[in-house]
This record gives sequence, C-alpha cells and structure tokens, in this order.
Amino acid sequence: DTAVSQTPKYLVTQMGNDKSIKCEQNLGHDTMYWYKQDSKKFLKIMFSYNNKELIINETVPNRFSPKSPDKAHLNLHINSLELGDSAVYFCASSPGRGGEETQYFGPGTRLLVL
Amino acid sequence: GDSVTQMEGPVTLSEEAFLTINCTYTATGYPSLFWYVQYPGEGLQLLLKATKADDKGSNKGFEATYRKETTSFHLEKGSVQVSDSAVYFCALRTRGSEKLVFGKGTKLTVNP
Repeated sequence: DTAVSQTPKYLVTQMGNDKSIKCEQNLGHDTMYWYKQDSKKFLKIMFSYNNKELIINETVPNRFSPKSPDKAHLNLHINSLELGDSAVYFCASSPGRGGEETQYFGPGTRLLVL
Repeated sequence: GDSVTQMEGPVTLSEEAFLTINCTYTATGYPSLFWYVQYPGEGLQLLLKATKADDKGSNKGFEATYRKETTSFHLEKGSVQVSDSAVYFCALRTRGSEKLVFGKGTKLTVNP
C-alpha cells in the first residue's frame, strides 16, 4: 500500500548516458513534484505537474525532461548525464495546489554518475 | 524571494535531553509552515505543520508554534530518544504557490 513509489531506488551510470526515473502515487492526488537533494542534503524543487499540466519549471538544465502520462505518474528523463547530476531525487505528491496542503514524498532515487 | 533559515548542525544530544532546532523564515505572502523528518536512507515524512499565526503543530512529542511576530517556527521536544536521530527540515509554502521552500536541514544524533 505504498503511497508514493519510485523506481529505481539506486541508479549508477556513466557520464553521457540517458536515464529515466519513474514515480507513481496511489493517493488520488492531482499534483506531483520532483525535488533534487544534493550531497549536503539541500532540497530544491525542480518541476511540478497538476493534472498532467506543467506548473513549475525551475531553472533546471533542459537535459532534464519530466513527463506525466496521467495524473498518477510523473517520470523524469535525464539526457547526457553529468557528474553534477549525482544526487538523490525525490518525487512527491499533494492533493491540490493549495499552500496549506501537505506534500507526501517517495523514498528517493539515489543517482550516481561516474 | 521566500527563504528558510535553520540552525546549523549537526546537533548531538544524550537520550532524554531537551531539543530545540531553530527555524526562521522570510516570505512575501502568508505561508504555511512545516517540519519534515528524514530518517537515514529514507524519504521525507511530514512531522507537523501550522497554517496560521499562533497555531501549534504537534506530533510524536515534537511541537512547533507559528510565530508571525518573530517569523519563526522552532521545533522542540522535551525528551529525545535514540530513534529521533534523523535530519530535520523546516519548510514553508505560501498561498497560491505550489513550491515548498526548504531550509538546509539539521542533522540530529541522539546517543544512548
């Protein structure tokens, strides 16, 4: 009965490769997010989708492309991976777009680029 | 822009000690405030939240009060346990914004 799940949990790859991370939520939420957590544990939002529509796109390199096939899924595709992309990527979801609403996080995907 | 400042860690305490982790914020709107906890190797979990001034959020013995006059949301617990060892994040979200803005996190280690 996992609420927000991500695959894979760990991803080790070479520079220059293309990889995808998948996220699914079974909470019936309308809004989903991708966050990046760097080696110092700092968390920053990357993207947000509401009902499959992109609503937040922070200053992220265009090598990163989110895709939302339906409102329960938000995948993250990364082209031409670089060393600096090594981080933990968290998916999250919330019922809607309101400021009071809680965001529920997935377990994270630990990406290491060699 | 909106920002959250947390006390620098790491914080190391003995079991049953009193815990305070300071958090102050800057926001252009009227934010909701959150504390999230990240246990080793896991994702973030909501610990508590407060959505308006003078609200107190509480959960698992942790408390934080939304202080608009001092723009603060300090986390406290009267008696910590080894199982409280984790990284604690203060965060805000202003009305009409989808973004959670996080502080840099404070690592807490509780020794037996």
